[in-house]
Amino acid sequence: SAVISQKPSRDICQRGTSLTIQCQVDSQVTMMFWYRQQPGQSLTLIATANQGSEATYESGFVIDKFPISRPNLTFSTLTVSNMSPEDSSIYLCSASPGGRTDTQYFGPGTRLTVL
Amino acid sequence: DAKTTQPTSMDCAEGRAANLPCNHSTISGNEYVYWYRQIHSQGPQYIIHGLKNNETNEMASLIITEDRKSSTLILPHATLRDTAVYYCIVPTGANSKLTFGKGITLSVRP
Repeated sequence: SAVISQKPSRDICQRGTSLTIQCQVDSQVTMMFWYRQQPGQSLTLIATANQGSEATYESGFVIDKFPISRPNLTFSTLTVSNMSPEDSSIYLCSASPGGRTDTQYFGPGTRLTVL
Repeated sequence: DAKTTQPTSMDCAEGRAANLPCNHSTISGNEYVYWYRQIHSQGPQYIIHGLKNNETNEMASLIITEDRKSSTLILPHATLRDTAVYYCIVPTGANSKLTFGKGITLSVRP
C-alpha cells in the first residue's frame, strides 16, 4: 500500500487566480493520478502524472488549465489555473505502487472553493 | 471500461452482513473486478479485487459468479463506520484507468 498526503487540505480562492496542489507519497510509485470530484458527483480522472515526461490528459482537460508536474517518483503537483467558480471541487491525487495501475491509493483530497 | 450496474442504495443493521451486488455482463476474460469505497469527506479507499476466484481480505469478501457477469461484495459484520459509497469498477486498457460511476450508498443503521 501507500500513504498519500495532500496540501493544502482546503482553500478559498478568488476567480482569475491559480492554486497549486501538492501530493506526496510515502514510497516510490510508478503511476500517479489526479481526479476531480465536483459537488455531489463521482470522481473524474483529470490526468496521469508521468515521471520525467508530460502528463497524459483525459478528454475535456487541457494542460493550460491543469498543468501537472512530476519531478520524482514520490511527488506531484496539480495547478488549477485562471480559476472560475466552476472549478470549485475536491481535487484528489492517487498513486499506484504496484504493477497494476487499477490498484490505487488515494489522498484525502483538497477542497477548493472559488469565489 | 466494461459497464457496471449497481443499485442506488441499500441499508443494513449494524453487526449484520452487508451484501453489495454488481452486474458487469460485458466483462472480458482478462478484466478484473475492483471495489473501492468513499466515506464522506474522505478519498476513496481500495477494498478488494478479483478475476475469477472468490477473494477475501481483512476488509471484505468478493464473490464472483462462474460466468463472471456479476459479483457481490460482502462486509461480514457491518459497523457504522462502513457507511459509505461503494464503487464496483471493471478497469480496461493497457494502463488500466478507474472510471467511477455513481456507486451504491450503503447506510449501516444502529
